[in-house]
Amino acid sequence: AQTVTQSQPEMSVQEAETVTLSCTYDTSESDYYLFWYKQPPSRQMILVIRQEAYKQQNATENRFSVNFQKAAKSFSLKISDSQLGDAAMYFCAHNTDKLIFGTGTRLQVFP
Amino acid sequence: DAEITQSPRHKITETGRQVTLACHQTWNHNNMFWYRQDLGHGLRLIHYSYGVQDTNKGEVSDGYSVSRSNTEDLPLTLESAASSQTSVYFCASSEASWTEAFFGQGTRLTVV
Repeated sequence: AQTVTQSQPEMSVQEAETVTLSCTYDTSESDYYLFWYKQPPSRQMILVIRQEAYKQQNATENRFSVNFQKAAKSFSLKISDSQLGDAAMYFCAHNTDKLIFGTGTRLQVFP
Repeated sequence: DAEITQSPRHKITETGRQVTLACHQTWNHNNMFWYRQDLGHGLRLIHYSYGVQDTNKGEVSDGYSVSRSNTEDLPLTLESAASSQTSVYFCASSEASWTEAFFGQGTRLTVV
């Protein structure tokens, strides 16, 4: 079965600091795709970053980067130089034949 | 601009009534998904479709149905609404499994 686990219901970070959100997943497939989505209070889902499982190189998008460990089925998100606007729910997602989400991590950013 | 829209944005219904939530996308995407979002559970997949006349059950499909008669629409029907179906519902579409999924604004459904 395809599952996604986010073990941190809440995280907090000081503005300008770095924070890492954890995600593990389970699949029997070798080819799949991983995503991090952000959901601010507006409820709109916004793609933060994505990773193809066949690529060994970790994806990076400006201040956002991932640590993809395929053997460990781990896909963590690192946010550098945190900003107040980064405060949101963050969802890890996995897609082989269907898009499955984790339970989310609520990130608070303190000035 | 292409978009995905859900209607209504808010709905209150009574237990036992049939309810249909609309989802319409102009991306021309083949893949469409319905999720419910509840505190502590994240987004859980209800049903999904890979094209016209194709529908598949997700993790929490009991009490829900969908039909796909065209590319643009995937309506979600609650056959007999129950209080446990009070939730925020999201529709999404994507071009392929490796591409970004675009989400509607969500529908807050309250069953009383």
